[in-house]
Amino acid sequence: DAKTTQPTSMDCAEGRAANLPCNHSTISGNEYVYWYRQIHSQGPQYIIHGLKNNETNEMASLIITEDRKSSTLILPHATLRDTAVYYCIVRQFLKTDKLIFGTGTRLQVFP
Amino acid sequence: DTAVSQTPKYLVTQMGNDKSIKCEQNLGHDTMYWYKQDSKKFLKIMFSYNNKELIINETVPNRFSPKSPDKAHLNLHINSLELGDSAVYFCASSQGLREIEGAFFGQGTRLTVV
Repeated sequence: DAKTTQPTSMDCAEGRAANLPCNHSTISGNEYVYWYRQIHSQGPQYIIHGLKNNETNEMASLIITEDRKSSTLILPHATLRDTAVYYCIVRQFLKTDKLIFGTGTRLQVFP
Repeated sequence: DTAVSQTPKYLVTQMGNDKSIKCEQNLGHDTMYWYKQDSKKFLKIMFSYNNKELIINETVPNRFSPKSPDKAHLNLHINSLELGDSAVYFCASSQGLREIEGAFFGQGTRLTVV
């Protein structure tokens, strides 16, 4: 499975957009990009996923570059409750399905 | 209504004991998982079951034995507990073995072995 690289930590002011980058330069054509987050002391929460097109849902937007070697998760109006560790995961469906979590990005939203 | 529920939430026990953690999902999903999050916060898959059949066993010591009595339940039994087993254990479920949509996680069971 492809590895992902994320910054260790980021800060964002409340109400501003939080842009979380992820590099996955070894991603292959059949692998999806998934984002999860883990708020302190809770279980991971699914946010969004995509293959090659940009995606948007009620939580966030996912922008995937044309070469698919990197992506950005966008929280359009960050709130204090968005403070969490955000994991970017590349997931392949040809092999046995499992999520491989990296170290993630710790996002701190401040007032 | 809790989608994936685990019990207990906290478990403190002595080395050498045997303990179980229960997990139930009310989402009608076919696939369930156990993940372990250690003190350094790394999340690693341990097992997955699809329709009560073991699919993934990630080189976990055989002291750990998952049991799936039905599709809605996946329990984790741990024999002869060791200090290194201290961690947070998360149960999760997803719709199918190759499900595109995300998995749902429980709130975790914090196991402390003393």
